[in-house]
Amino acid sequence: DSGVTQTPKHLITATGQRVTLRCSPRSGDLSVYWYQQSLDQGLQFLIQYYNGEERAKGNILERFSAQQFPDLHSELNLSSLELGDSALYFCASSSGLAGETQYFGPGTRLLVL
Amino acid sequence: AQKITQTQPGMFVQEKEAVTLDCTYDTSDPSYGLFWYKQPSSGEMIFLIYQGSYDQQNATEGRYSLNFQKARKSANLVISASQLGDSAMYFCAMREDFLTGANSKLTFGKGITLSVRP
Repeated sequence: DSGVTQTPKHLITATGQRVTLRCSPRSGDLSVYWYQQSLDQGLQFLIQYYNGEERAKGNILERFSAQQFPDLHSELNLSSLELGDSALYFCASSSGLAGETQYFGPGTRLLVL
Repeated sequence: AQKITQTQPGMFVQEKEAVTLDCTYDTSDPSYGLFWYKQPSSGEMIFLIYQGSYDQQNATEGRYSLNFQKARKSANLVISASQLGDSAMYFCAMREDFLTGANSKLTFGKGITLSVRP
């Protein structure tokens, strides 16, 4: 158990809908990262937050947004969902900004029908 | 060019034997970190081992060791005394600009499937 929690574990929804994925980092970790794992794209970095502020952006679609709250949990919002958004979404956390290992949560498996 | 290359097809190893999973990387950054993660069929990503570009010695964590050859830009994972529970997908990843933290993301390879035979 990495100490990172993600809810829900599974999510089935329809095209055009909006969903919210939730992540709680390990105790004491200030950085939260979101990754997407799909069969065709592999594992891709989406976005990072550090202590409530957006720190870095990767291949995140405009339909996707995220935030980190004062209690350091984070949410990834996916809107106008398309079939191609079906993937495993991971949250990871690390203690700071530099030189730390990222520990991954169990992931949320999203299926868009 | 791909930053992390894992080209081995599915790997098979006999229980209790050692196995090496290959990873080559490409970066011009002098400061980087290399990581290996394990993903069993249940889907979670489990951190195994880390090697920093400035580390003088190869990293070891229990049955896992990292064969780091900086000049060849390779960071192979060695699993000794394989167990049935080692059957999983293994990902090599790199984080560049490691010491300053300016670059946050992990870049992953495509992964290698390892199957341990009883």
